[in-house]
Amino acid sequence: GEDVEQSLFLSVREGDSSVINCTYTDSSSTYLYWYKQEPGAGLQLLTYIFSNMDMKQDQRLTVLLNKKDKHLSLRIADTQTGDSAIYFCAESAPSGGSYIPTFGRGTSLIVHP
Amino acid sequence: ETGVTQTPRHLVMGMTNKKSLKCEQHLGHNAMYWYKQSAKKPLELMFVYSLEERVENNSVPSRFSPECPNSSHLFLHLHTLQPEDSALYLCASSQDLMGRNYGYTFGSGTRLTVV
Repeated sequence: GEDVEQSLFLSVREGDSSVINCTYTDSSSTYLYWYKQEPGAGLQLLTYIFSNMDMKQDQRLTVLLNKKDKHLSLRIADTQTGDSAIYFCAESAPSGGSYIPTFGRGTSLIVHP
Repeated sequence: ETGVTQTPRHLVMGMTNKKSLKCEQHLGHNAMYWYKQSAKKPLELMFVYSLEERVENNSVPSRFSPECPNSSHLFLHLHTLQPEDSALYLCASSQDLMGRNYGYTFGSGTRLTVV
């Protein structure tokens, strides 16, 4: 299987909460990230969490980390049409002195009125 | 603008052509990366440079040739590509190979089509 797995699609109604899930395999993962990619653009860092944390909140975004199950989630409260994008989960673990991240395939979030 | 600029935004090339992709960052970062993004596949790391030295090459075919003349510029030279090389090529930079705190800053990518 892949190192970082995400479901490919999520569809939500405007105003609802979105929860995007991710699982990873490397137990030595130190940093976990969520990136957002809008059409025609590169990836934009949304938020990150250290592996010694289990939750991080930043305005409408809440990241939950279950290290035991190697499960990461991103909750977007009050989802807006502008949140429609592809969301990438990434993890990085020390390897030869670097922490180059491994990305998932991305989850396409579709927000409809 | 993210601070990482890629040119051109779109490129169509024949299989016998030679072209180059350019990436420029003025963020003071010391590490730069080339990624390949194909539909429905995980982001593939191609090359990593730290302080202008190549530190990783993930079994990329020799028809892709990177060049990092200084810490602000990164090139990807292309020659005799195949149609399956059509993809979005993303450049990224980070403060160092640790990628802490601010993660990675990506450019908008070059959409490459090989005909």
